[in-house]
Amino acid sequence: EPEVTQTPSHQVTQMGQEVILRCVPISNHLYFYWYRQILGQKVEFLVSFYNNEISEKSEIFDDQFSVERPDGSNFTLKIRSTKLEDSAMYFCASTRGQANTEAFFGQGTRLTVV
Amino acid sequence: GEDVEQSLFLSVREGDSSVINCTYTDSSSTYLYWYKQEPGAGLQLLTYIFSNMDMKQDQRLTVLLNKKDKHLSLRIADTQTGDSAIYFCAALWGGYNKLIFGAGTRLAVHP
Repeated sequence: EPEVTQTPSHQVTQMGQEVILRCVPISNHLYFYWYRQILGQKVEFLVSFYNNEISEKSEIFDDQFSVERPDGSNFTLKIRSTKLEDSAMYFCASTRGQANTEAFFGQGTRLTVV
Repeated sequence: GEDVEQSLFLSVREGDSSVINCTYTDSSSTYLYWYKQEPGAGLQLLTYIFSNMDMKQDQRLTVLLNKKDKHLSLRIADTQTGDSAIYFCAALWGGYNKLIFGAGTRLAVHP
């Protein structure tokens, strides 16, 4: 069964450093998403991406964050100058189309900022 | 904006039915979902229901939707220890662009 793959599974970084979280969406999917879940809190939408541009972003997704599809398979989330409060589980998801209702999520990357 | 609320904890005996409840605020949500998260794992889509349906059944899972009250429930028949997990209710919002999640209900199944 096709799946969304995320790497690494756990990333520890020092405050102020930049991190890149990587995702390989399902191959025939066209819409890509990042969500995050701070420990003990709700899963929150960060950004959606289609046709090489951001289609929607939340208030959380400020200038510290950026997304990119550098090639035909990877979808990345970059966090510049990480803060302690960026520590969370980050989930990548993809859907076949905008009206496609089944969002498939990856296993998540646990980011710990120390 | 859209908000989704769930009770945080449910404990059931193995073999009993579990019912996890959820309420949402945006009546224009077209699809409503249930995801399962096991410890250390990602979000697994269990089932979803379109807003023009009242009920959907899939093996041991039954989803009930009361659109008037904006209430969604997930019933798991014959609950097993392997069903122990956090269950998230989510609503599709913003022109299909994003899911709004509840806080998750932790289901504990005991012998």
